[in-house]
Amino acid sequence: KQEVTQIPAALSVPEGENLVLNCSFTDSAIYNLQWFRQDPGKGLTSLLLIQSSQREQTSGRLNASLDKSSGRSTLYIAASQPGDSATYLCAVHGGIQGAQKLVFGQGTRLTINP
Amino acid sequence: NAGVMQNPRHLVRRRGQEARLRCSPMKGHSHVYWYRQLPEEGLKFMVYLQKENIIDESGMPKERFSAEFPKEGPSILRIQQVVRGDSAAYFCASSPPLGQGSTDTQYFGPGTRLTVL
Repeated sequence: KQEVTQIPAALSVPEGENLVLNCSFTDSAIYNLQWFRQDPGKGLTSLLLIQSSQREQTSGRLNASLDKSSGRSTLYIAASQPGDSATYLCAVHGGIQGAQKLVFGQGTRLTINP
Repeated sequence: NAGVMQNPRHLVRRRGQEARLRCSPMKGHSHVYWYRQLPEEGLKFMVYLQKENIIDESGMPKERFSAEFPKEGPSILRIQQVVRGDSAAYFCASSPPLGQGSTDTQYFGPGTRLTVL
């Protein structure tokens, strides 16, 4: 059974810092991995999706890496801003294409202090 | 192209009543997924449907919960005889059919927040 863990559970940093969020998963037979952002009381916004054959994906100040063999992914946020404050969720797609339920981590609650 | 729509956004029910949550997928998407987020917990998969078919319901509680995605109209998640423990945010996601774009990315709706009194 796939399990996804995110560390740390909460993180508070001053504005402008670079930071790394960690995600680990127990079963390396994943189809791909997706990072989401969730604002309080809101839905999920997809940030980056990494296929199992890829090592990393970049979008603006965000960079996500994937190491399937070790069961780890990291989300790197450069030059953090107060608007980045949110909960960041890591989720893995497993199994056969077409049966793609997502398994989520508990999330990292990020606070960027002005 | 409108995103995934869910209604109502907030729903209050008393114990024993029924709750019906609706999800309209993005235009052209024929795959729908339901997830539940209990207070202070992560999202958990409930059910995966295609038009008129339940593909995977491994995350659905055995009793009181059911889901459908008819040929016409939105997907419905139905909870009968609600209890306080059903209070949660229920999220719907959709993805396109195979061969018409990536099925890898699921697009999420804003969620329905169910409160059981």
